[in-house]
Amino acid sequence: KNQVEQSPQSLIILEGKNCTLQCNYTVSPFSNLRWYKQDTGRGPVSLTIMTFSENTKSNGRYTATLDADTKQSSLHITASQLSDSASYICVVSKPGGAQKLVFGQGTRLTINP
Amino acid sequence: ETGVTQTPRHLVMGMTNKKSLKCEQHLGHNAMYWYKQSAKKPLELMFVYNFKEQTENNSVPSRFSPECPNSSHLFLHLHTLQPEDSALYLCASSQDLAGQETQYFGPGTRLLVL
Repeated sequence: KNQVEQSPQSLIILEGKNCTLQCNYTVSPFSNLRWYKQDTGRGPVSLTIMTFSENTKSNGRYTATLDADTKQSSLHITASQLSDSASYICVVSKPGGAQKLVFGQGTRLTINP
Repeated sequence: ETGVTQTPRHLVMGMTNKKSLKCEQHLGHNAMYWYKQSAKKPLELMFVYNFKEQTENNSVPSRFSPECPNSSHLFLHLHTLQPEDSALYLCASSQDLAGQETQYFGPGTRLLVL
């Protein structure tokens, strides 16, 4: 069964600290993996996309990693800011088009001052 | 902003009402999507349109009826909904249906069915 599991479900950290969110998937065949950020009251916004041959991708303070052998990805946030409070969604795509996406349930991250 | 707008942002309706959700994208994209997002559940793809033609209907109940008059506009017509249909309905667009194309999401319509 094609699934994407994210952990933890929710996370609270202090401003300025680092954190890592996890994504494990069983989707096969694999095309690419994307991390989205969804602020409260808004739609998801793409942060990074990685294909099979890429094992790391950065976007400012966000760094995503991918281990295609173990089917795991992580999103590391450095020096967190209050604006990082959001849900982070891991999405794995199968070949065959944008409609072949498998979404994780998201990790709710709260940054406290 | 992402270039995808949705109206209304909030909607409360009774089970016997008929309402419509509207989505408009200003990005020149060819593909548009409707998703349902329920609390603590993954996004569920409902419908996909490419060049105004419906290419995917993920076993969505007939009480949800999509309409795509052109590549820039997408509607979701609602009638005789159930309380379990209460959710955030997200519209998205992408340049085309290729797997590496980024989907741009609108802010969503928060729907409450009483």
